[in-house]
Amino acid sequence: GAVVSQHPSWVICKSGTSVKIECRSLDFQATTMFWYRQFPKQSLMLMATSNEGSKATYEQGVEKDKFLINHASLTLSTLTVTSAHPEDSSFYICSARDQGTSGGSQFFGPGTRLTVL
Amino acid sequence: GENVEQHPSTLSVQEGDSAVIKCTYSDSASNYFPWYKQELGKGPQLIIDIRSNVGEKKDQRIAVTLNKTAKHFSLHITETQPEDSAVYFCAANQYNFNKFYFGSGTKLNVKP
Repeated sequence: GAVVSQHPSWVICKSGTSVKIECRSLDFQATTMFWYRQFPKQSLMLMATSNEGSKATYEQGVEKDKFLINHASLTLSTLTVTSAHPEDSSFYICSARDQGTSGGSQFFGPGTRLTVL
Repeated sequence: GENVEQHPSTLSVQEGDSAVIKCTYSDSASNYFPWYKQELGKGPQLIIDIRSNVGEKKDQRIAVTLNKTAKHFSLHITETQPEDSAVYFCAANQYNFNKFYFGSGTKLNVKP
């Protein structure tokens, strides 16, 4: 099946610093990638949809200047949390849509646990 | 927009029993319905999916049924095992559009 990796798997940073999370589709090309945020015991909250070579589409209420998304290639999207604060601590998960052999199915990465001190 | 509701929120079964999780959706234009399994601290894993041109799909102990008229679809797990314990999410999508709408999740606990 299609594999999506995420790096790092966890990160601890000080308040005010920026953190970059990478999402890669390992065995397929993904024109579309998604970034989700998940709070404990809750469902997935879509933050933004990232299309290769164009600007990301952010969901209502998500600060685009705080959560910078770059989808520079068909296999890599990055999420940068700028000037992180404790309230940004969360589980961030990316996913990629395989429009090829998997017929448009969405595959998730393993997630990144961000803790802001 | 689409609205997906999922029930129950928690489900506890004895090992070997069957488990059924149900989802309803509101937008008749949705035509793709995946199910994901999420273990603690990990990303969701696609376990089975169904498209609107079929009513049922099966993969070993897992099956999904779809009723387009009633706008609901269900996940069936037979002969449950302790390793099936996880949170399961349903989702709905219009194939030509990117956004997936997720249910609120069901925590399945399989007691040995």
